Amino acid sequence: RKEVEQDPGPFNVPEGATVAFNCTYSNSASQSFFWYRQDCRKEPKLLMSVYSSGNEDGRFTAQLNRASQYISLLIRDSKLSDSATYLCVVNRGGGNKLVFGAGTILRVKS
Amino acid sequence: DTAVSQTPKYLVTQMGNDKSIKCEQNLGHDTMYWYKQDSKKFLKIMFSYNNKELIINETVPNRFSPKSPDKAHLNLHINSLELGDSAVYFCASSRDLTDTQYFGPGTRLTVL
Repeated sequence: RKEVEQDPGPFNVPEGATVAFNCTYSNSASQSFFWYRQDCRKEPKLLMSVYSSGNEDGRFTAQLNRASQYISLLIRDSKLSDSATYLCVVNRGGGNKLVFGAGTILRVKS
Repeated sequence: DTAVSQTPKYLVTQMGNDKSIKCEQNLGHDTMYWYKQDSKKFLKIMFSYNNKELIINETVPNRFSPKSPDKAHLNLHINSLELGDSAVYFCASSRDLTDTQYFGPGTRLTVL
């Protein structure tokens, strides 16, 4: 079993749709949590950090459930430019060691 | 103003060769990393250095040797290249051992 699991998708959605991604992690000692975005043939870029209290950044909302070891990302009012791979990332500590999920592909179509 | 830069961007070479990839950051960060993203798109950490000191050394063949001449540079040397080394290699840096990591544009290595 992989340490960070995501549904690979692809999720094909129309513009304006709301889409949700889920992720589970297996190491209960994980310290911090993130969503990164990776465009085709580009480097990963931090989208947002994820907290137990939930956090929102514009159209994006992230949530962490430590008890269930579950992380989510909600995108509202999808734009064409949201098309990318979304990477669920867990920081295991031990020198800022990031563990990446395989990513969920999102395709937003007009 | 490139924050984390890597050279070369593309590298095509024959099996058995030795090659190096260079990484430089101009962010004043103390910590640098190397990641490998294979054909299945999994991104995995290989090494990290903090103030030129090796911190993370994952289970990587010893044909891979990182070198940090100073805090702003972390190079990756690979000996005796194998087909399975073909991947995209990303360098990253962070202010310290707890802060957000910023990635370079990647080096696409193809071993023939």
